[in-house]
Amino acid sequence: DQQVKQNSPSLSVQEGRISILNCDYTNSMFDYFLWYKKYPAEGPTFLISISSIKDKNEDGRFTVFLNKSAKHLSLHIVPSQPGDSAVYFCAAINTGTASKLTFGTGTRLQVTL
Amino acid sequence: DGGITQSPKYLFRKEGQNVTLSCEQNLNHDAMYWYRQDPGQGLRLIYYSQIVNDFQKGDIAEGYSVSREKKESFPLTVTSAQKNPTAFYLCASSIGPERDWAPLHFGNGTRLTVT
Repeated sequence: DQQVKQNSPSLSVQEGRISILNCDYTNSMFDYFLWYKKYPAEGPTFLISISSIKDKNEDGRFTVFLNKSAKHLSLHIVPSQPGDSAVYFCAAINTGTASKLTFGTGTRLQVTL
Repeated sequence: DGGITQSPKYLFRKEGQNVTLSCEQNLNHDAMYWYRQDPGQGLRLIYYSQIVNDFQKGDIAEGYSVSREKKESFPLTVTSAQKNPTAFYLCASSIGPERDWAPLHFGNGTRLTVT
C-alpha cells in the first residue's frame, strides 16, 4: 500500500520557468513532510520540509505548499536551473508515533536550456 | 568534514554468497538507517537503529541482517536468503532517537549486483 505517491515519474521544464512537483498521501496521520533531492549515484539530500500546522514554507527558490484537506503537497522551484535536474522524493511521517519516514517513488526533473 | 561513508561504491557478488556493506558516520548521530532503492520505487526501509546495541526491522528486513556495536558504524549483511539482492543501498543517519523528522543525512550509496 503506497501511502505516499508521486504520480509523475518525470517532468521536463525550461530553464528560468517554474517547476512544480506534486505529491499525494493517503495517511491522514502524517503531520510532517520533507522533500529530498537526489543526483545519480549519490545519496538524497534534504531540501525543504513543512509541518502540518503550516500551509507554506519557503527557502530561496524552493517553496513547499501543503493542502491538508486534499492530502496533497507540491514543491515549486522558481526559477528552475539546469543544476536542479535530479530526482525529487517527497517523504512523510507521523511524528506522534514511532513510525519512520515513508517515501514516495520520486519524480525525475529535467531542466532544459 | 562530517558525513556518512559507504563502501564500496560498487559491489559484485555471486548468487548464494553473503555480502556486507559498510556504513560509517562521524556526525555523532544516534540513529542510523538502511534503505534500498529500486527503479520506479521509493526508498524502502530495511533496518534501523536508534541506539547502540539495538536495532529494529523495517518494511523489508527479510534476507538482511545488521549490527550496531558502535555508534559510528551500522553494517548491513545481505544474505543468500534475500531473493532479489541487486539494488542500490543507502545508509542514513539522524539525530534521533525521538527526532525522526529531523532530516536524514544519506551516504552516497553502494550499488550491489548479484549474478
